[in-house]
Amino acid sequence: GIQVEQSPPDLILQEGANSTLRCNFSDSVNNLQWFHQNPWGQLINLFYIPSGTKQNGRLSATTVATERYSLLYISSSQTTDSGVYFCAGGFTGGGNKLTFGTGTQLKVEL
Amino acid sequence: ETGVTQSPTHLIKTRGQQVTLRCSSQSGHNTVSWYQQALGQGPQFIFQYYREEENGRGNFPPRFSGLQFPNYSSELNVNALELDDSALYLCASTLYREGGYTFGSGTRLTVV
Repeated sequence: GIQVEQSPPDLILQEGANSTLRCNFSDSVNNLQWFHQNPWGQLINLFYIPSGTKQNGRLSATTVATERYSLLYISSSQTTDSGVYFCAGGFTGGGNKLTFGTGTQLKVEL
Repeated sequence: ETGVTQSPTHLIKTRGQQVTLRCSSQSGHNTVSWYQQALGQGPQFIFQYYREEENGRGNFPPRFSGLQFPNYSSELNVNALELDDSALYLCASTLYREGGYTFGSGTRLTVV
């Protein structure tokens, strides 16, 4: 089946630091999204990015579909960035579902 | 623009019982998907509804069923509850085959 792998699985940062989260997928995507899950369980959509680069404030994302990976950049991290970051892909021939990765647990400390 | 709302937020049921979870989609969205998230794992696709019909299903048994209504809201029904059904159930809405998903806050189901 389709595999979505995220790295690193866990990350601890000091406030103000920058980080890069990676998502590798095993097949061609037609729909790649990044989410932040807060401590209360809600998934917040950060980016819909099947290809190219997007930026939103301190966050940016790049998907290189031909090489089957996506990166999420967090700059000047804040304690409110803590939580789990998921990438999820929709794959050609995979119907309409999103396949989620296992997530990166981020903790930002003062 | 209203987001996705789910009810109830928490629920405790006994093994063997039946449960119905509800979801109102975001304004302008016509497609609803349901996901199950066990503790410490990523969400797993249950099924998707579009035009009031099931439009894709994950590896879940038939005792998981759903409905979509003309206003695009949706229900997830689970019969004969098992202990392993304890999880966070997430609903997401989107425009069919376009754009990003908007998730609700989820329903946390505990089966005892």
